[in-house]
Amino acid sequence: DAMVIQNPRYQVTQFGKPVTLSCSQTLNHNVMYWYQQKSSQAPKLLFHYYDKDFNNEADTPDNFQSRRPNTSFCFLDIRSPGLGDAAMYLCATSRGDNTEAFFGQGTRLTVV
Amino acid sequence: GESVGLHLPTLSVQEGDNSIINCAYSNSASDYFIWYKQESGKGPQFIIDIRSNMDKRQGQRVTVLLNKTVKHLSLQIAATQPGDSAVYFCAVLRSGGSYIPTFGRGTSLIVHP
Repeated sequence: DAMVIQNPRYQVTQFGKPVTLSCSQTLNHNVMYWYQQKSSQAPKLLFHYYDKDFNNEADTPDNFQSRRPNTSFCFLDIRSPGLGDAAMYLCATSRGDNTEAFFGQGTRLTVV
Repeated sequence: GESVGLHLPTLSVQEGDNSIINCAYSNSASDYFIWYKQESGKGPQFIIDIRSNMDKRQGQRVTVLLNKTVKHLSLQIAATQPGDSAVYFCAVLRSGGSYIPTFGRGTSLIVHP
């Protein structure tokens, strides 16, 4: 059974049109992460939540925002997608005191 | 800040051989080092971790070696199978509230039947 679920698996959006990616988890983990992964590159952390505490990476563009309305759900909002934002977006969860992070299948975003 | 890199972008092996994937890191303050496996079209999957005060840890068919002197980490896969074909990432965990994975570049392992 899927434990970290990302929807949709594939998302096509127009240049400049806001888009939201969603992530849900059944693990009741207190930490949730969003990573951006471009082709043949390592996942790059955008931000993470420890419970309700939001932590933004210093180099995450302002164009990227996140919301975590409850323990189970986390959203990634891209306010004005550019062509350079086309990537796989990975959501992950972990217990704060555990080393293992559980990843979803990812959402592949295409910007046209 | 952390910097994690891998020596070889692609490793090709024959089924049944042992595979060794290497990783270098720069931040000596990391508490844990982790290996993840990412199959095509999927998210990374945790394989094994090693604490910074250890130099070897074994799992099922996998062994991770940590050499803190030269800041080097390796993943050994015994009797490599076609199902092991994937991209392997090493990651360091930075602490401070929760363990946050910072990923290195990745090595693509190709297993030939």
